[in-house]
Amino acid sequence: GAVVSQHPSRVICKSGTSVKIECRSLDFQATTMFWYRQFPKQSLMLMATSNEGSKATYEQGVEKDKFLINHASLTLSTLTVTSAHPEDSSFYICSARVIGGGSSYEQYFGPGTRLTVT
Amino acid sequence: QKEVEQNSGPLSVPEGAIASLNCTYSDRGSQSFFWYRQYSGKSPELIMSIYSNGDKEDGRFTAQLNKASQYVSLLIRDSQPSDSATYLCAVRRSAGTALIFGKGTTLSVSS
Repeated sequence: GAVVSQHPSRVICKSGTSVKIECRSLDFQATTMFWYRQFPKQSLMLMATSNEGSKATYEQGVEKDKFLINHASLTLSTLTVTSAHPEDSSFYICSARVIGGGSSYEQYFGPGTRLTVT
Repeated sequence: QKEVEQNSGPLSVPEGAIASLNCTYSDRGSQSFFWYRQYSGKSPELIMSIYSNGDKEDGRFTAQLNKASQYVSLLIRDSQPSDSATYLCAVRRSAGTALIFGKGTTLSVSS
């Protein structure tokens, strides 16, 4: 259980274009999804928290107009990188919250999307 | 001070030995702690979660938590070459719901 998928797994785009990445929870409903970015040999950096039916909450330093997040259903969240530039090249990983007993929960991660901007 | 700190390593141990990975965190109000394993080019996979002070064992893995010292550790017994990966410590913020990750410790198990 708790499977999260991402599409595409890899994408190459030209500078100035936009790219959409999909994140789906396959066997559970996710009221909250998280988007992370990971540069080579760096840790996962939280970009934003996405709640179904409401606006995403972005971390400090993350441009909300550049990284558009939509969480229209309980199983799908999308991240659109607008006007991509080479410095946006990174590994983008989504994660969905699985609610456990009490207030504890665990996050399960999608397989990630490798974005290369040329 | 970073929220979650780990020694980046690499930590090298021979096959069959015990690998000890350490993590400290700055938010004293943090309640939930996790260890993830990440292979190169892949996304993290959850190994263990721990919420209370003390030890929690799962197979060859033991997580240890000391909230007073703001310290979390992961012990891997009978280390195998397939355990070679980067191990990420993650902490759930007390005020929110997102996991915050350390930089990770690279473990290398030699056969």
